[in-house]
Amino acid sequence: DAGVTQSPTHLIKTRGQQVTLRCSPISGHKSVSWYQQVLGQGPQFIFQYYEKEERGRGNFPDRFSARQFPNYSSELNVNALLLGDSALYLCASSLQGNTIYFGEGSWLTVV
Amino acid sequence: AQTVTQSQPEMSVQEAETVTLSCTYDTSESDYYLFWYKQPPSRQMILVIRQEAYKQQNATENRFSVNFQKAAKSFSLKISDSQLGDAAMYFCAYRSAGNFNKFYFGSGTKLNVKP
Repeated sequence: DAGVTQSPTHLIKTRGQQVTLRCSPISGHKSVSWYQQVLGQGPQFIFQYYEKEERGRGNFPDRFSARQFPNYSSELNVNALLLGDSALYLCASSLQGNTIYFGEGSWLTVV
Repeated sequence: AQTVTQSQPEMSVQEAETVTLSCTYDTSESDYYLFWYKQPPSRQMILVIRQEAYKQQNATENRFSVNFQKAAKSFSLKISDSQLGDAAMYFCAYRSAGNFNKFYFGSGTKLNVKP
């Protein structure tokens, strides 16, 4: 079975632009969460979705938004990009009550 | 809010030796899970070991074991017979029992393994 897949793997954006990151969970996993990992730090929770509903939001500005589709894939959108948004964005999926499994992440560089 | 602290930014161990990575956490909850994740240079987070707070027995996975001290809110990882492939960033993580996808991570410990 395929693991959690994310796209794109790397991208460069200019300040003020908007970006969309995509995630496909492991087959059968209905829960997806997003994390931001700034270089040298641990991942920080951004969003959690279960059965297409938002179940949790971390301490991030409204420029960050996400959604989950009927096939349980998910998108993370960031508007009005700032230099500080440069980070590795990790998607994770899980079966309810079990361990989360991470994708390889999307590297976002804002210049 | 829950916090996870890893006080060792970097550790080194000789190949075949044993090393212990430290982690403390702060929570008012009684039911939760604790994890150690490994992040190699490829950046993919890989689960190393998991501990349920309601279990008194320490979890073990082959060369990896934990020392879980619930009263002290301490959760250390012991790696025995260290191998070159163990070199990576190690993150301690906390999850509430009722929130299965929201994890709190520590700042990580970089483990170097010397041949």
